[in-house]
Amino acid sequence: AQKVTQAQTEISVVEKEDVTLDCVYETRDTTYYLFWYKQPPSGELVFLIRRNSFDEQNEISGRYSWNFQKSTSSFNFTITASQVVDSAVYFCALSEAPLYGNNRLAFGKGNQVVVIP
Amino acid sequence: DTAVSQTPKYLVTQMGNDKSIKCEQNLGHDTMYWYKQDSKKFLKIMFSYNNKELIINETVPNRFSPKSPDKAHLNLHINSLELGDSAVYFCASSQGGLAGGREQYFGPGTRLTVT
Repeated sequence: AQKVTQAQTEISVVEKEDVTLDCVYETRDTTYYLFWYKQPPSGELVFLIRRNSFDEQNEISGRYSWNFQKSTSSFNFTITASQVVDSAVYFCALSEAPLYGNNRLAFGKGNQVVVIP
Repeated sequence: DTAVSQTPKYLVTQMGNDKSIKCEQNLGHDTMYWYKQDSKKFLKIMFSYNNKELIINETVPNRFSPKSPDKAHLNLHINSLELGDSAVYFCASSQGGLAGGREQYFGPGTRLTVT
């Protein structure tokens, strides 16, 4: 069974500080996919990144970066120079090698990030 | 243009009533989903449809019945509403295919409150 753990429930940072969100996953599959989603206070879920299990390259997108390490089953997310607009709940999610059309996302419990101006 | 839309955004109703939530996507995706987000923000899949065919049916009470009239629509009907059904319901869509693991795009959510 797939499982995603986001241990830190709420993280407060002062604006311009960096914040790293930890995501640890469990799966028996060798092919799987990892995702991060952002849920701002307005409530919608915004897709941020998708990574497959064969691609361990780190990724940077603006102030966001992701570190994928299969050896520790982790897919961590860092926000550099945080801004108030980064205040949101961030979800890590896992999809195991799905059958055709069976693309179930298992979500972690989310990290509430509060950026203090 | 809204990619995945849901109506209504808010739904307040009394226990025992029957209600429906509608979802439409204009992304041309062939797979659609319903997720439930509880008061602690935990998100859990309920159903998924691929090309109008039910693919995933999690342990959800029979009072919940999804219906997909076509690839672009997936509605959720709930009978005999209970207090515990209060939650935010999200519709999502993705492109299926053998590659799998596609990102899902979510609607704005429907906040259901049962009193």
